[in-house]
Amino acid sequence: DQQVKQNSPSLSVQEGRISILNCDYTNSMFDYFLWYKKYPAEGPTFLISISSIKDKNEDGRFTVFLNKSAKHLSLHIVPSQPGDSAVYFCAASIQGAQKLVFGQGTRLTINP
Amino acid sequence: NAGVTQTPKFRVLKTGQSMTLLCAQDMNHEYMYWYRQDPGMGLRLIHYSVGEGTTAKGEVPDGYNVSRLKKQNFLLGLESAAPSQTSVYFCATTQGTEAFFGQGTRLTVV
Repeated sequence: DQQVKQNSPSLSVQEGRISILNCDYTNSMFDYFLWYKKYPAEGPTFLISISSIKDKNEDGRFTVFLNKSAKHLSLHIVPSQPGDSAVYFCAASIQGAQKLVFGQGTRLTINP
Repeated sequence: NAGVTQTPKFRVLKTGQSMTLLCAQDMNHEYMYWYRQDPGMGLRLIHYSVGEGTTAKGEVPDGYNVSRLKKQNFLLGLESAAPSQTSVYFCATTQGTEAFFGQGTRLTVV
């Protein structure tokens, strides 16, 4: 039973354009959502998060949108840069960042 | 400030052998976790600890044991390794609203 799903295993975007990564969840108890970025041979690093009391959180080129009624969140990266090429994991939790439940990941490739 | 450090980084085991993975953190965090990452599966929680002397099962605990004798260390043990335990293992700590990960341990069981 996959509680957090990232249905796109990969995404290819041209440099300078917008990258949109999607994530769906099934557990309505989740109240905190995070995005992590992972380069090969490294651990995941925190990117951005959002609480269920908000519907948008922005940090520089990164914006996360949360649609609670649809149980859907998305990460927008604009403009996309070559260094953004990585695997992106969506994660959810109940109460802060404890016991995170991860999606399968989406491999983002930014083409010059 | 090293953050979260995992030892070893790579290991090859034969089926039936045992080993212990060590996670050390210098951030004084209460919560520590062990995840495994497999292709197409994301990161799945094996065991976790909410403080020194405590441990609890996660989503995929079978075949693993853990101990948290000191606040800064969280050990993951494989008593009798199986090929299905070939994976990349990540340790993490959390405090509040962010989780910090180690660099991972790539384990191959042949």
